[in-house]
Amino acid sequence: GEDVEQSLFLSVREGDSSVINCTYTDSSSTYLYWYKQEPGAGLQLLTYIFSNMDMKQDQRLTVLLNKKDKHLSLRIADTQTGDSAIYFCAEIHTGGFKTIFGAGTRLFVKA
Amino acid sequence: NAGVTQTPKFRILKIGQSMTLQCTQDMNHNYMYWYRQDPGMGLKLIYYSVGAGITDKGEVPNGYNVSRSTTEDFPLRLELAAPSQTSVYFCASSGGQGETQYFGPGTRLLVL
Repeated sequence: GEDVEQSLFLSVREGDSSVINCTYTDSSSTYLYWYKQEPGAGLQLLTYIFSNMDMKQDQRLTVLLNKKDKHLSLRIADTQTGDSAIYFCAEIHTGGFKTIFGAGTRLFVKA
Repeated sequence: NAGVTQTPKFRILKIGQSMTLQCTQDMNHNYMYWYRQDPGMGLKLIYYSVGAGITDKGEVPNGYNVSRSTTEDFPLRLELAAPSQTSVYFCASSGGQGETQYFGPGTRLLVL
C-alpha cells in the first residue's frame, strides 16, 4: 500500500544544517512535496520536486530525490530558530486526487 | 487574496451534536479537500471535490458529509459528533489534479 515515513524529531544548533529524511512506497509518485507547519497554523508549501528530477535548490533549501531507494530529503542550510516547526513530506501521483502525507518531523533549533 | 479561510478556529461539541465547518477559497480553484490531522499523525483525506456539484469520498469519510454548491465554498458537516472526531481539520484547494495544495489555518474540534 501507499505509505510515507519520516523520523519524528530532529534537533540542531542554530547555524548548522538540518537534514530531514522521508521514504515512500508508491513508485508511481510524480510529485513530492515538503510542507512546513508552525504551531497553530496550517501547512505551508515549502518546495516540491518532480519525480524526473534528482535535486532541486531554492535558497537555503535543497531537496534530493533517490528514486531507486524511494528516498526524499530536505536540507536546510544555516538553520535559524524561525525554522523550528513540523515538516511534512507528501507524495501524489498523476491521476490521483489523494496526497499521502508522512506523520511529520518536528525540528527543534537550539540557539 | 485571502487564500483559504476556515471558520471557526476552535469548537467544543458534546457527543451527538452536529456542526458545519466552513471553508472558502478566493483563488478560483476547482479542487478542494478536507483533511483531519490527529496528534502525531499525518493528514488523512476525508472528502474532496473536483468542482461545483461534484464530491467524492477520501480515506476516512465515515461520520462526515460535504457539499459544493459554489466554486468558492466547501463546507464539512458532522451530523452526530463522536469523541473519535476530536481532531484538527484542514481545508485545502488546488488549481488542478496533482497541483500544489494550499491550506487553510485549520479548525480545532474537541468532542466531549
